[in-house]
Amino acid sequence: DVQMTQSLSYLAASPGESVSISCKASKSISNYLAWYQQKPGEAYKLLIYSGSTLQSGTPSRFSGSGSGTDFTLTIRSLEPEDFGLYYCQQYYEKPYTFGAGTKLELK
Amino acid sequence: EVQLVESGGGLVQPGRSMKLSCAASGFTFSNYGMAWVRQAPTKGLEWVATISYDGSSTYYRDSVKGRFTISRDNAKSTLYLQMNSLRSEDTATYYCTIFSYVFAYWGQGTLVTVSS
Repeated sequence: DVQMTQSLSYLAASPGESVSISCKASKSISNYLAWYQQKPGEAYKLLIYSGSTLQSGTPSRFSGSGSGTDFTLTIRSLEPEDFGLYYCQQYYEKPYTFGAGTKLELK
Repeated sequence: EVQLVESGGGLVQPGRSMKLSCAASGFTFSNYGMAWVRQAPTKGLEWVATISYDGSSTYYRDSVKGRFTISRDNAKSTLYLQMNSLRSEDTATYYCTIFSYVFAYWGQGTLVTVSS
């Protein structure tokens, strides 16, 4: 199985700051990488797919980059509603696998 | 607005069966693949099973193969997950998702607890 590693479990930041969340795959997955957000009491939300394509409705302050094994989710100028959990997921091959998540907390 | 509402979870003894349902609305259900994803308490997300738009193709993770069956009723816009021979390690919140290589929309989940 492809292992997805999010090196940071927690990340603290303040509104207005920019943050980057990394995700590393155990083998090359080309750009078959998605990012999801979860906020308490809300359903999981797809933010980005194909490594860098924003899902409809995802604010433009979110961006994704990377290819192969290393990927990054960047959020520019954090808004209060951006704090929550972020997961990466590969869909290069089955079983589809997720990272362990990075919790973005208010500093 | 897309809505996915899971039901059928609860407490079940090891070795017993349980069937989850997911009522879909707000989109043309019969046009989309669907999937179940689960999350054990304090653990990460885990893909469980996927079904094609017409039900002709299904895929499972190895740990549930032969025990779980994903199915759908397009006339009722409903997705199902039949879970047999349940184990303690199947304890998780089960999420219904629209699947198009990624998990595009998610329900709120239903908790399944396998315990004696």
